[in-house]
Amino acid sequence: AQSVTQLDSQVPVFEEAPVELRCNYSSSVSVYLFWYVQYPNQGLQLLLKYLSGSTLVKGINGFEAEFNKSQTSFHLRKPSVHISDTAEYFCAVRVSGGYNKLIFGAGTRLAVHP
Amino acid sequence: NAGVTQTPKFQVLKTGQSMTLQCAQDMNHNSMYWYRQDPGMGLRLIYYSASEGTTDKGEVPNGYNVSRLNKREFSLRLESAAPSQTSVYFCASSESSLGTYNEQFFGPGTRLTVL
Repeated sequence: AQSVTQLDSQVPVFEEAPVELRCNYSSSVSVYLFWYVQYPNQGLQLLLKYLSGSTLVKGINGFEAEFNKSQTSFHLRKPSVHISDTAEYFCAVRVSGGYNKLIFGAGTRLAVHP
Repeated sequence: NAGVTQTPKFQVLKTGQSMTLQCAQDMNHNSMYWYRQDPGMGLRLIYYSASEGTTDKGEVPNGYNVSRLNKREFSLRLESAAPSQTSVYFCASSESSLGTYNEQFFGPGTRLTVL
């Protein structure tokens, strides 16, 4: 069975500082990996995805993530955050080729301070 | 296009009451999903419908029923609400639920409180 661990429940950071949100997964088969963002009182929006190919994937709003198969990680990074990036971020996994069932991590709340 | 819409946005129930959460999508998607979101637990799949006329259990189906009314609509019913069902409920849809990648699009959520 697949599982996702987001290592930090909250990450406070100052505006214009870099940030990394950590995600590790466990699976014995090939997976697709995703990061979703949830702004306050809104639904989830896809930030970026890894399906295959290049291990460095770029998403919306200047975010990127790197797939590391040996470390089973998919950490999300942004070199300079803005106040508007304050949100909850979810890492998710699904088995490639299987049913489209997403397994979500518990979420990381990113708080950007001026 | 409105995407995925959910009604109501907020609801307060007493223990034992019943209610139905409505979800509709206008993207002609075949597959639809119901999730619940609880603090510190992320989103968990309650039920999904791979296509019109089919439904399957997810991780946490107990206490819920679903109906895929037609291709557009997928409702979630709580027959006898319990405080443990206090949560935020999200509906999602995707073009398909099999094989290659199909992005899931999420609705804005329904915040349910059971007293």
